[in-house]
Amino acid sequence: GAVVSQHPSWVICKSGTSVKIECRSLDFQATTMFWYRQFPKQSLMLMATSNEGSKATYEQGVEKDKFLINHASLTLSTLTVTSAHPEDSSFYICSARNKDHTTSGGYEQYFGPGTRLTVT
Amino acid sequence: SQQGEEDPQALSIQEGENATMNCSYKTSINNLQWYRQNSGRGLVHLILIRSNEREKHSGRLRVTLDTSKKSSSLLITASRAADTASYFCATRTLIYNQGGKLIFGQGTELSVKP
Repeated sequence: GAVVSQHPSWVICKSGTSVKIECRSLDFQATTMFWYRQFPKQSLMLMATSNEGSKATYEQGVEKDKFLINHASLTLSTLTVTSAHPEDSSFYICSARNKDHTTSGGYEQYFGPGTRLTVT
Repeated sequence: SQQGEEDPQALSIQEGENATMNCSYKTSINNLQWYRQNSGRGLVHLILIRSNEREKHSGRLRVTLDTSKKSSSLLITASRAADTASYFCATRTLIYNQGGKLIFGQGTELSVKP
């Protein structure tokens, strides 16, 4: 089955530093990857859509310069939280769309296990 | 952006009882999916229902979709303590400039007491 991994699974960093989170599709090629953020007891909020080889499309209200997304290959996308602050502490989940697997007219989408970021 | 609302926000039942969760959405959709999330963990895909389907079953799960009312329901029959989790509906939109994104509802926190 399609597997999406994230690394690290959890990270603690100091305020002002930058943190990079990796999202990999392990056994399929993903032309599109999505990044979500989830605060405790809340739903997943889509942050951005990233397409391989092009700039990411950010949702309204998400700071492009703070959340840098790079989708350098068909199996890897990275999210860098720059100059992290305590309010950036959250659960970050990536999702990858399998370009070769469609269902009901749309591409199948698989979720990673998430990365818990704590900024102290 | 959020697509839908779910109710109830929290549901507490006894083991063996049925649990029903509802989801409403705003835009035209390609399909609607239900996910489960245990506390602090990743998402588990439960079931997908297409926009031209009205009902779908998978084991103890039954999903209905009413596109005229833009709503869906998830029924879990004969619930177990292991069903305790948060449940989210997610819609794949048809709106062109949203590129078929998967947008999540607010979620229902289900607690099944032994």
